[in-house]
Amino acid sequence: DAKTTQPTSMDCAEGRAANLPCNHSTISGNEYVYWYRQIHSQGPQYIIHGLKNNETNEMASLIITEDRKSSTLILPHATLRDTAVYYCIVRVGGSQGNLIFGKGTKLSVKP
Amino acid sequence: AAGVIQSPRHLIKEKRETATLKCYPIPRHDTVYWYQQGPGQDPQFLISFYEKMQSDKGSIPDRFSAQQFSDYHSELNMSSLELGDSALYFCASSLTGRREYFGPGTRLTVT
Repeated sequence: DAKTTQPTSMDCAEGRAANLPCNHSTISGNEYVYWYRQIHSQGPQYIIHGLKNNETNEMASLIITEDRKSSTLILPHATLRDTAVYYCIVRVGGSQGNLIFGKGTKLSVKP
Repeated sequence: AAGVIQSPRHLIKEKRETATLKCYPIPRHDTVYWYQQGPGQDPQFLISFYEKMQSDKGSIPDRFSAQQFSDYHSELNMSSLELGDSALYFCASSLTGRREYFGPGTRLTVT
């Protein structure tokens, strides 16, 4: 699976959009981009995933660049409960293969 | 909705003892994964099972073993416990081709 690079930490003001970047320059054509988050010692929680097109669900939006070498997770209106470590994971074909967690981004949402 | 159940939630053992962690996947899920997360570390994949057969193996020590039973629950057995085995152990389950759902974890403390 392709390696990902994320900033170690980010801050965001409550109510503002949180934009979390991820670089995955070695991604292959059949690899998806997945985002999970882990709120303090809880089990990781799925957020969203995509292949080429931008995706949106009730939690977030995922913007993938045209060359697929990077992506951005957007939390449109961050709340204090969104404070967590966010992991960007690249994996082959849908949910095949295991999740390999790298160094995620610690997002701190501040009042 | 039913979630992944892990038991016990907390476990304290002494060095060289044995521990057994249990995981009950979401009903009808056919795949179970085990992850280990040491203090301040990211989750590390240990082992997975599909339809009661081991499907993949990660950085699982030889002192650890696991299996998935006919009712799809899984157990992680850890022997000759070491201080370094103190960690959160997460179980996740999925239906083939779908995303993983993580349990709340078991916190193992080895003294």
